[in-house]
Amino acid sequence: TQLLEQSPQFLSIQEGENLTVYCNSSSVFSSLQWYRQEPGEGPVLLVTVVTGGEVKKLKRLTFQFGDARKDSSLHITAAQPGDTGLYLCAGKLTSGTYKYIFGTGTRLKVLA
Amino acid sequence: KAGVTQTPRYLIKTRGQQVTLSCSPISGHRSVSWYQQTPGQGLQFLFEYFSETQRNKGNFPGRFSGRQFSNSRSEMNVSTLELGDSALYLCASSRTSGRNEQFFGPGTRLTVL
Repeated sequence: TQLLEQSPQFLSIQEGENLTVYCNSSSVFSSLQWYRQEPGEGPVLLVTVVTGGEVKKLKRLTFQFGDARKDSSLHITAAQPGDTGLYLCAGKLTSGTYKYIFGTGTRLKVLA
Repeated sequence: KAGVTQTPRYLIKTRGQQVTLSCSPISGHRSVSWYQQTPGQGLQFLFEYFSETQRNKGNFPGRFSGRQFSNSRSEMNVSTLELGDSALYLCASSRTSGRNEQFFGPGTRLTVL
């Protein structure tokens, strides 16, 4: 049973466009992370959010954790070809463990 | 500082065989977690080791096992391979258990024929 649903699954956009990726669950998470994975490599951590309603910005990327800590979103402004990759959200059900539940991923392609 | 290394990077086995994958964490890291990544199921947690002890386990059959050595290197073993075991197996290391950022290795691509 997949506890974390990501949408959309695939996204192909032109350079300069904005986009939002969603991560939704019926479970409450103690924290939630976003990763980006490129072909042939392992996921690389982008951000960790731990407080309901928290918003974090990383250059052109804005991450938000839902008030109830059940959902999150990733917004990219003015996408660039270097943003291409598989974006994964991962929720931790219990603190003090690495038993993360990963979303199915959003595959983003930014065309020059 | 060297990153997480996994060997081998690619592996082809046949059904019924067993396989051992190796993970060397970042120097100073004592926690190693293993994940299986497939197109259909995504990334799923297998188990976590810290100081040579298994701390957490995911919902995988007993054919999947692991261990960690005193130098924090970890191995994962899969016995009686099935076609569905074909996947990218990722390990991630962290300085301590559950409280710090995980750093993933590049993975081992296992194909079961």
